[in-house]
Amino acid sequence: GENVEQHPSTLSVQEGDSAVIKCTYSDSASNYFPWYKQELGKRPQLIIDIRSNVGEKKDQRIAVTLNKTAKHFSLHITETQPEDSAVYFCAADSNSGYALNFGKGTSLLVTP
Amino acid sequence: NAGVTQTPKFQVLKTGQSMTLQCAQDMNHNSMYWYRQDPGMGLRLIYYSASEGTTDKGEVPNGYNVSRLNKREFSLRLESAAPSQTSVYFCASGLGASQGTQYFGPGTRLLVL
Repeated sequence: GENVEQHPSTLSVQEGDSAVIKCTYSDSASNYFPWYKQELGKRPQLIIDIRSNVGEKKDQRIAVTLNKTAKHFSLHITETQPEDSAVYFCAADSNSGYALNFGKGTSLLVTP
Repeated sequence: NAGVTQTPKFQVLKTGQSMTLQCAQDMNHNSMYWYRQDPGMGLRLIYYSASEGTTDKGEVPNGYNVSRLNKREFSLRLESAAPSQTSVYFCASGLGASQGTQYFGPGTRLLVL
């Protein structure tokens, strides 16, 4: 299937700092790019998403940027808090129109 | 609304045993999905059902079968469990990836001995 590469695999920041997670995708037809947060032992939950007709989207401390030409998108978390500690997954829709291809995840640790 | 529910929450099987994982959603979504999650591997799609009456293979379908029983329910069956199928299984539902997000169930932890 189409690949979604995610970096870094682990990220440690101090409380109050910013965190950036980057993803690249291979299918130029992809149009929908969600980000999920998964806390330990819990289900993945959507935190923000973006469509290809938008270059940037922001929701309080979280923002996502998309560069369709370069086929990459990024998650930005500002003023990080310990409760932001979790695994974050990026995804892109596949050419089937129904399935999502997920990155392998980034484990974010925010230390007080 | 309960959203997406899964049963059981946890299961231990012996190699060669069979079992069915159940999933139901009450959000009137057309599409439903089964993923497995293994450490360092992210979420890998096993099978999906774009709409009632259809099913399609995902990235890792070998060793699994699915049934879309009706619009609400989508089950995953392991006919002869293997230790390599030890994983956390998530069911999800949505309108279709290009139309919106997927909502996940709480997961089933499966251990195959």
